[in-house]
Amino acid sequence: GNSVTQMEGPVTLSEEAFLTINCTYTATGYPSLFWYVQYPGEGLQLLLKATKADDKGSNKGFEATYRKETTSFHLEKGSVQVSDSAVYFCALSDDQGGSEKLVFGKGTKLTVNP
Amino acid sequence: DAGITQSPRHKVTETGTPVTLRCHQTENHRYMYWYRQDPGHGLRLIHYSYGVKDTDKGEVSDGYSVSRSKTEDFLLTLESATSSQTSVYFCATFNYGYTFGSGTRLTVV
Repeated sequence: GNSVTQMEGPVTLSEEAFLTINCTYTATGYPSLFWYVQYPGEGLQLLLKATKADDKGSNKGFEATYRKETTSFHLEKGSVQVSDSAVYFCALSDDQGGSEKLVFGKGTKLTVNP
Repeated sequence: DAGITQSPRHKVTETGTPVTLRCHQTENHRYMYWYRQDPGHGLRLIHYSYGVKDTDKGEVSDGYSVSRSKTEDFLLTLESATSSQTSVYFCATFNYGYTFGSGTRLTVV
């Protein structure tokens, strides 16, 4: 079945450091890919998405490019801030029968220190 | 999110008791989902609904049942709670994108 594998955490960075969180996927067909962010005590929020190969999703300085040839969707940010501390989830849409079920990776906790 | 309300937000219950979690949406979305979040597992789909009285199982449905008698409400029931069902439960809706509720933290002692 479809699956998502993302970089194990936790990740600890200093403010203004470069961030990469790796995500690879296994899927039949052509899924859409997502990054969600979860701040402490809250639900998940969509950070960015890409719906087809070579699409780049971007939001709040974060970027990820849908790479079909490497089945990857790595999350990057050039300069992280303390406010970026959160748990990040990579996900794909498992659109079997039109039900749009999401399959999630295990999450990567990011802590950014001042 | 303002469109999804989960209740209760926190609950502690004893092993063997029945528990019902409620998800209420105000956006009239067709698709609704229940996920559980556990450390080291991310979010896993329990059940989902694609319309009133139309539901199906997800990846981790054993020990759970759901009902959807109205578009706006999707109930998740643990018939006889076990300690392995201690988790954070998230409801979500889908309409050109997912929206998640704020979660219910359930502890089974």
